[in-house]
Amino acid sequence: KAGVTQTPRYLIKTRGQQVTLSCSPISGHRSVSWYQQTPGQGLQFLFEYFSETQRNKGNFPGRFSGRQFSNSRSEMNVSTLELGDSALYLCASSFGFRSVDEQFFGPGTRLTVL
Amino acid sequence: ILNVEQSPQSLHVQEGDSTNFTCSFPSSNFYALHWYRWETAKSPEALFVMTLNGDEKKKGRISATLNTKEGYSYLYIKGSQPEDSATYLCAFRAGNQFYFGTGTSLTVIP
Repeated sequence: KAGVTQTPRYLIKTRGQQVTLSCSPISGHRSVSWYQQTPGQGLQFLFEYFSETQRNKGNFPGRFSGRQFSNSRSEMNVSTLELGDSALYLCASSFGFRSVDEQFFGPGTRLTVL
Repeated sequence: ILNVEQSPQSLHVQEGDSTNFTCSFPSSNFYALHWYRWETAKSPEALFVMTLNGDEKKKGRISATLNTKEGYSYLYIKGSQPEDSATYLCAFRAGNQFYFGTGTSLTVIP
């Protein structure tokens, strides 16, 4: 069974640009969550999608948005990039959204904003 | 925002030593606690999902316990090996999202 894939793996952008990151979950998984990790911080929750619906959103500005497609693939978009958006962005898929559902993480996208 | 704390922040042990670290979380509104191992240049890998007070889980040389009343979980590694070197994360599930600790970085010296 293929794991969670994320593209691209590395990205360099400049301030003010926008970026779209992609996540393909494990086949059969319908829940996708996104996290941001910056140095010294734990993984910060961005949002969670299940069956194309956003179930929950973390405490991030409206510049961060996402969506999920009918095949469960998910995209995350960040508009008007700021230097502080430089981070590792991880997505995780799970079969459902129960608290006991195990999350499987992708390798992450390393975003650098110059 | 809920606070999940892990201690120590980092740990260096000799091969063969046993070690343990702590994850502290709010004792109210508990749904589940997840432990992950995150090796450098790899993805976080799930170790345990714990839900009941008094839970004990084991996978090989690694085990974990859970105390939901006082809000902590311990992760134990018996006879550490160099391949155990990684960052160990805990994630507390409350409501609809996970709250992650900053992790304990373990280095096992051969």
